[in-house]
Amino acid sequence: EVQLLESGGGLVQPGGSLRLSCAAPGLTFSSYAMSWVRQAPGKGLEWLSAIRGSGGGTYYADSVKGRFTISRDNSKNTLYLQMNSLRAEDTAVYYCATHPFGSGNYYKGFDYWGQGTLVTVSS
Amino acid sequence: QTVVTQEPSFSVSPGGTVTLTCGLSSDSVSTTYYPSWYQQTPGQAPRTLIYSTNTRSSGVPDRFSGSILGDKAALTITGAQADDESDYYCVLYMGSGISLFGGGTKVTVL
Repeated sequence: EVQLLESGGGLVQPGGSLRLSCAAPGLTFSSYAMSWVRQAPGKGLEWLSAIRGSGGGTYYADSVKGRFTISRDNSKNTLYLQMNSLRAEDTAVYYCATHPFGSGNYYKGFDYWGQGTLVTVSS
Repeated sequence: QTVVTQEPSFSVSPGGTVTLTCGLSSDSVSTTYYPSWYQQTPGQAPRTLIYSTNTRSSGVPDRFSGSILGDKAALTITGAQADDESDYYCVLYMGSGISLFGGGTKVTVL
């Protein structure tokens, strides 16, 4: 069974930074494109960013472009999301998700999901 | 501003069939948008049901099926069960690496 384990969430002040991690033990990690998706309290799901299996292509929603950076370390089976210039409206549960098997399948929807990590932006 | 549209809510009787749809404010949905569907119950992570229009994720029962109906993507649930009561989200691939969620449909089984 595929396990995705997010960490790094917490309370941060407006304007601050946070780095989220998503570990994928046992997964043929480089064979999967990965994404970050968030859900604000009481709201729907919002796709934020995707990265190809090789790390060679990254994509962002307009809402986070220029503030958030997605990256991966395939030697550690870990996905990251560096979040800068955080705002109150970034408060949400952040999920990592795989795309279907195939390092370039970032367009085919998502497959496996982590349990999420809560980020709260507040003074 | 492109919007992915879903019905806000739907009700289905136990054992019944319900079809949820996923549309676009500015275009017809086709397989080139690679529609996908997700189920989420309160406090839980999303669960993938369908990706690439009609491919079931591992472990998803065949009473969940995806298709294109007219100008929209569709998720059909046959033989509805009490634990199908959830929020259902669709996603469309908009090109240039961008995926877009619909607002979700709340399904009630009663």
